[in-house]
Amino acid sequence: SYELTQPLSVSVALGQTARITCGGNNIGSKNVHWYQQKPGQAPVLVIYRDSNRPSGIPERFSGSNSGNTATLTISRAQAGDEADYYCQVWDSSTDVFGTGTKVTVL
Amino acid sequence: EVQLVESGGVVVQPGGSLRLSCAASGFTFDDYAMHWVRQAPGKGLEWVSLISWDGGSTYYADSVKGRFTISRDNSKNSLYLQMNSLRAEDTALYYCAKDQQLAPPSDAFDIWGQGTMVTVSS
Repeated sequence: SYELTQPLSVSVALGQTARITCGGNNIGSKNVHWYQQKPGQAPVLVIYRDSNRPSGIPERFSGSNSGNTATLTISRAQAGDEADYYCQVWDSSTDVFGTGTKVTVL
Repeated sequence: EVQLVESGGVVVQPGGSLRLSCAASGFTFDDYAMHWVRQAPGKGLEWVSLISWDGGSTYYADSVKGRFTISRDNSKNSLYLQMNSLRAEDTALYYCAKDQQLAPPSDAFDIWGQGTMVTVSS
């Protein structure tokens, strides 16, 4: 089965840039979606199809996807960006979520 | 307002059965595929199942295949998950989620409910 690997945690200074990776075999050939989940809340879609932002998501959130790695970038990080982030793809008739990354804003 | 509201989560014994429901409002329900996703306490997200807009296509994670059945009633704007032969490892918060497309291949999940908790324990 297809696997998506994310770093367990990423720390970023307030106002700096955080990059969260999602590794998978030839992931560049798939559509990657990203979700933000804050404690006690349901996930929220922040990037879809590699690099598209849903309405209401700040431009500070961006995505890219190539080769074996997709990346979610959070620019000018704010305290409110502290959350768990998950990548997701569709592969072989199943949806797969990444292992999740906890982002801490220092 | 676009909304998904899950219900039906309870404490159930191993080997037991349960049906979860998800009521949709604020969008044209039968224009979209729908999913169930679960999250065990303190763990990550795990996709469970997908159903196409008309119920004609269904897909399952290997961990639930043969035990869970997804269905929908478009006349009632409702999604269901029938869960049989429940195991301790099925204990989780179960979310329903709306797909951005009407049928597989799956797209992003743009609307999520708040979840309903299922606990499998004797």
